[in-house]
Amino acid sequence: GAVVSQHPSRVICKSGTSVKIECRSLDFQATTMFWYRQFPKKSLMLMATSNEGSKATYEQGVEKDKFLINHASLTLSTLTVTSAHPEDSSFYICSARPLSGTYYNEQFFGPGTRLTVL
Amino acid sequence: RKEVEQDPGPFNVPEGATVAFNCTYSNSASQSFFWYRQDCRKEPKLLMSVYSSGNEDGRFTAQLNRASQYISLLIRDSKLSDSATYLCVVGPQGGKLIFGQGTELSVKP
Repeated sequence: GAVVSQHPSRVICKSGTSVKIECRSLDFQATTMFWYRQFPKKSLMLMATSNEGSKATYEQGVEKDKFLINHASLTLSTLTVTSAHPEDSSFYICSARPLSGTYYNEQFFGPGTRLTVL
Repeated sequence: RKEVEQDPGPFNVPEGATVAFNCTYSNSASQSFFWYRQDCRKEPKLLMSVYSSGNEDGRFTAQLNRASQYISLLIRDSKLSDSATYLCVVGPQGGKLIFGQGTELSVKP
């Protein structure tokens, strides 16, 4: 149990395009999902906390108009990188925290999406 | 000062060695503590939660010292498959996780 999927796993796009990444909790419900970014040889940096049915909370320095987050249901959150540029190339990882149950207070990570902007 | 700071690494050890990782955190109000393992180009996977009383899972032992704001991970009888980056993770209130920069471990035959 507690499986999180991400789609797509890899995307290559041209500069200026927008890219949508989906994060799904497959066998549990999550009111809260988190979006992270990881550059090569660096640690995960929290970008934003996604709350079902309300606005996301962004970390300092993360542009909310650049990284649009929608958490429309208890099992799906999306991150859209708008007008992507080469500096947005990174490994984007989501995580989800179960609403309740044995694994409450743990976060389960998706497999990540590797974005390359040309 | 970084919120979560780990040994810089990398650690290169022979099979069977015992290796210890250290981690300090700055927020004294932190509520939860974890060690995650991350393989190259993969997502982090939970290795173990860390409790004040210390906890052990097979070859892995984690310790927490709240007074010193210090966390450790000990790996005994290291295996080739233990090669990975180990992430010290601290949870302040509110469910967020703060990741350390990671310590790379390479176990050699």
